[in-house]
Amino acid sequence: GEDVEQSLFLSVREGDSSVINCTYTDSSSTYLYWYKQEPGAGLQLLTYIFSNMDMKQDQRLTVLLNKKDKHLSLRIADTQTGDSAIYFCAETDQAGTALIFGKGTTLSVSS
Amino acid sequence: DVKVTQSSRYLVKRTGEKVFLECVQDMDHENMFWYRQDPGLGLRLIYFSYDVKMKEKGDIPEGYSVSREKKERFSLILESASTNQTSMYLCASSERGRAYEQYFGPGTRLTVT
Repeated sequence: GEDVEQSLFLSVREGDSSVINCTYTDSSSTYLYWYKQEPGAGLQLLTYIFSNMDMKQDQRLTVLLNKKDKHLSLRIADTQTGDSAIYFCAETDQAGTALIFGKGTTLSVSS
Repeated sequence: DVKVTQSSRYLVKRTGEKVFLECVQDMDHENMFWYRQDPGLGLRLIYFSYDVKMKEKGDIPEGYSVSREKKERFSLILESASTNQTSMYLCASSERGRAYEQYFGPGTRLTVT
């Protein structure tokens, strides 16, 4: 079945780059997504990438997609303490009606 | 701005009680979703609805039911709460055909004692 895997924790120092990795199983996914959950809040869509793209850049965020290896990564440049959150990788299910989320990576940024 | 609200941020119930979790969205979205979030397990889909009175089972529907009588409101019902249903419950909504762009409520932390 469909599955999304990501590491559970990442700790970085303020000003460093963060890279959060994700692997997925459904090669038919048209889009892949990154959601962010700040402490005490619901999730919000951070960015997404279309499956025919290799890279997407949006200010401090860079998404890289390796379709051959079914590997997705989110790079945050110049990480700030406000970036501390849980980051979820997600893909659409085969019916395209719902999202399948990874378990979430908790990013901890120390000053 | 899309707003998804959930009736309670924190809820404490006893084993065997019937529990209602309410979710309301104000953007006329067709799709609505209920998830539970547990440490180390991420988000798991309980039920979703793509229209009024329509519902589809997600990955973990056992022990839950849902109701969607009005477009803006999606209720999650625990018929007889059990301690293993202690969790964070998140509601989300999205436009039809845009299930990937979901807008989430702040969550309800339910504790069943």
